Amino acid sequence: DIVMTQSPDSLAVSLGERVTINCKSSQSVLYSSNNKEYLGWYQQKPGQPPRLLIYWASTRESGVPDRFSGSGSGTDFTLTISALQAEDVAVYYCHQHYTLPPTFGQGTKLEIK
Amino acid sequence: EVHLLESGGGLVQPGGSLRLSCAASGFTFSSYAMFWVRQAPGKGLEWVSGFSGDADGDETSYADSVKGRFTISRDNSKNTLYLQMNSLRAEDTAIYYCAEGQSASIYSTMDVWGQGTTVTVSS
Repeated sequence: DIVMTQSPDSLAVSLGERVTINCKSSQSVLYSSNNKEYLGWYQQKPGQPPRLLIYWASTRESGVPDRFSGSGSGTDFTLTISALQAEDVAVYYCHQHYTLPPTFGQGTKLEIK
Repeated sequence: EVHLLESGGGLVQPGGSLRLSCAASGFTFSSYAMFWVRQAPGKGLEWVSGFSGDADGDETSYADSVKGRFTISRDNSKNTLYLQMNSLRAEDTAIYYCAEGQSASIYSTMDVWGQGTTVTVSS
């Protein structure tokens, strides 16, 4: 199975500041036939199901604010929040669906400083 | 609007069985892969099982942790996904989410999730 490792496990950031969450996969998740990275990012708020934010590593899901962006390729990926809002407090998960079984990172808990 | 509603969770003794259901609406159910993902109390997300859409030949897959005990199925005439869970263990205790794939492929990401149903395995 592909192991997804996120860093940090938790972070506290001031409102309006930039947030960066990293995700490293144990092997490449690039599918060469379509040149797509099989990597997504989810946001989960307390008591709610996960919400898809980013797919194909950098494509923002419909309705997701443009302060959220994804980048990276191969085995190293990043989720960036350009200016933290109070409603962004959540746990964030990266997810690979390149191989079966799909796997998730352990999660990064984001709080307000 | 896509809507997924899970049901069938509850308290069951170790070794027992449960059948979860996920009623889908707002999209052409048969055309999309469907998945079960679980989350143990206070823990992260674990993919459990997937079933491809009809364009991808009814492919199914399971996590090693449930293989041989859980069976995923779908009834496209009822727009419903199922998870039959047998030989349940304490470590199967979790919220079970149903999720829609972005395409028929079992390799697609999961873009809409239900609210989940809680399974507790305890004596």
